Amino acid sequence: EDQVTQSPEALRLQEGESSSLNCSYTVSGLRGLFWYRQDPGKGPEFLFTLYSAGEEKEKERLKATLTKKESFLHITAPKPEDSATYLCAGRLYTGTASKLTFGTGTRLQVTL
Amino acid sequence: NAGVTQTPKFQVLKTGQSMTLQCAQDMNHNSMYWYRQDPGMGLRLIYYSASEGTTDKGEVPNGYNVSRLNKREFSLRLESAAPSQTSVYFCASRPHGVRDTEAFFGQGTRLTVV
Repeated sequence: EDQVTQSPEALRLQEGESSSLNCSYTVSGLRGLFWYRQDPGKGPEFLFTLYSAGEEKEKERLKATLTKKESFLHITAPKPEDSATYLCAGRLYTGTASKLTFGTGTRLQVTL
Repeated sequence: NAGVTQTPKFQVLKTGQSMTLQCAQDMNHNSMYWYRQDPGMGLRLIYYSASEGTTDKGEVPNGYNVSRLNKREFSLRLESAAPSQTSVYFCASRPHGVRDTEAFFGQGTRLTVV
């Protein structure tokens, strides 16, 4: 069964305290690992796509990395505005369409 | 550029009532999706449509029907609402066949069935 598991469920950091979020996956025929950010009351907003083990992508204080079984979202010196739920998803293709299988997310709170 | 627009934003239904959630995208995307999001369950795929005129079941299709009215619009219908369908519903769209392109999500419809 295709599965995406995120940990921790919730994370509280002080401003400037770096950390990592984990996403482990068992998606057969994976065609991309996606990271999204979701603010309360809003839809998910795209952050990164990773395709190959060893691949890394960066955006401001965020860096996503991918291995054969998991992905990490590293947050360096976070600020309060980084507080959100971070979702990862694995994409697989079925015939003519692609589907995303999501994890349950990590709720990040960054305090002053 | 509106992106993906969902209506309504909030809805309260009584058990057994029916309603249709509307979704429209203005990005000329081929693929459209309906997800539901519940606490502790993450986003789960209800139905998807790879192109106009085609629809397929996702992970949790029971109790729902969909219509891909045209390329822009993909609606989700609850024929007889149940309390278990209380959730936040998200519509998404994506261009077909583009490797690195992510799915774009709407703002969600918060549905409560009492």
